[in-house]
Amino acid sequence: EVQLVQSGAEVKKPGESLKISCKGSEYRFTSFWIGWVRQTPGKGLEWIGVIYPGDSDTRYSPSFQGQVTISADKSINTAYLQWDSLKASDTAVYYCARDRGDGYNFAHWGQGTLVTVSA
Amino acid sequence: EIVLTQSPATLSLSPGERATLSCRASHSVSNFVAWFQQKPGQAPRLLIYDTSKRATGIPTRFSGSGSGTDFTLTISSLEPEDFAVYYCQQRHTWPLLTFGPGTKVDIK
Repeated sequence: EVQLVQSGAEVKKPGESLKISCKGSEYRFTSFWIGWVRQTPGKGLEWIGVIYPGDSDTRYSPSFQGQVTISADKSINTAYLQWDSLKASDTAVYYCARDRGDGYNFAHWGQGTLVTVSA
Repeated sequence: EIVLTQSPATLSLSPGERATLSCRASHSVSNFVAWFQQKPGQAPRLLIYDTSKRATGIPTRFSGSGSGTDFTLTISSLEPEDFAVYYCQQRHTWPLLTFGPGTKVDIK
């Protein structure tokens, strides 16, 4: 069974950096797209971007371009989402998801990582 | 950017009733619409993709229809586990994917 296991909840201060992870198992990690999604009470679900670990092809939604960095380490089957300087508005639950093999439809999801940014 | 609107915001129904959820796109998205179910504290779950294709393991009481700008998710007979929030999502502008704001189906 495909599994995506995300790193644990984080509490950070504004201006700090952060990298959260998403480890895939029970499938060929390099052959499927992984996406990241933000969920907040105010804005709902928002796609951040996607990465193809096989060649590190990465695409961002315009709203998130320059605000975060998506990466992957195929040697350990892990994708990452990172911030250089967090803002209070980054407080959210972040999900990773894997496509179903067609590149577009995300059928497998991690359990979510709660990121809280507060002074 | 394509904006998705969903109606109603809340749908109050009883188990066994039929649920009809609507999703409207600001511009045509062809048939590139998916539907997700989300329960409190859980990740979204893919139900339907490309308008009408059920994802693996999804019961046949879930069906999708539509094209262009208007789409519908139908739950033919609500089971207790179906009370949740439902989101539509378009992939026409991949990699910019967008979700609708959601419809909450709660118990009447």
